[in-house]
Amino acid sequence: QVKLVQSGTEVKKPGALVKISCTASGFLLTSNHMHWVRQAPGQGLEWMAVITPPGDATFYAQDFQGRLTVTRDTSTATLFMELSSLTAEDTAIYYCTREATGGFDVWGQGTVVTVSS
Amino acid sequence: QAGLTQPPSVSMDLRQTATLTCIGTSNNVGYEGALWLQHHQGHPPKLLSHRNDHRPSGISERFSASRSQNTASLTITGLQPEDEADYYCSAWDRSLSAWVFGGGTKLTVL
Repeated sequence: QVKLVQSGTEVKKPGALVKISCTASGFLLTSNHMHWVRQAPGQGLEWMAVITPPGDATFYAQDFQGRLTVTRDTSTATLFMELSSLTAEDTAIYYCTREATGGFDVWGQGTVVTVSS
Repeated sequence: QAGLTQPPSVSMDLRQTATLTCIGTSNNVGYEGALWLQHHQGHPPKLLSHRNDHRPSGISERFSASRSQNTASLTITGLQPEDEADYYCSAWDRSLSAWVFGGGTKLTVL
């Protein structure tokens, strides 16, 4: 069964860093483009980044340039998203998703990140 | 970052047909098409249509996607109560080297 399982809820203080994991099963993480998307409270979906096979090239949304890093550990079939210099505006649900044949066809369950002092 | 344009809300009667639109540019929707997602709050989004307008397996034939130049559309026939959700389009933007989303359309089934 193709599945993405994300790490649990995070509560962070402003200025901190958060690292979320997304573990794949049922398919090879290196076979697909893998994305991160988030949804802030009351807002729409926002694309953040993609990591592409086979050379692990990454593309980031302009809004996150310089504070977002996406990596992949093939030995554990795990994707990581690290976001630094957190502010209250980064409070959101973060999703990892697989791109296949031009669609985001498999999604993680979402990770709630709350940034609060 | 420039996104795609979707109407914020659409309301249609039960069993009627709703057509949701997504306006982009020749650099995104007009380039490789748009995908469509259905999102019920509290759940991950669900893919309704790939960028080539193909429906994933398991998605009802009541959902169909199409594109005309820089505008993508999602048509939902025979509206059901469970179709009430937020609908998003998304496309790769070659000028930004980034994916862009529409702001989403909240569909209400009356």
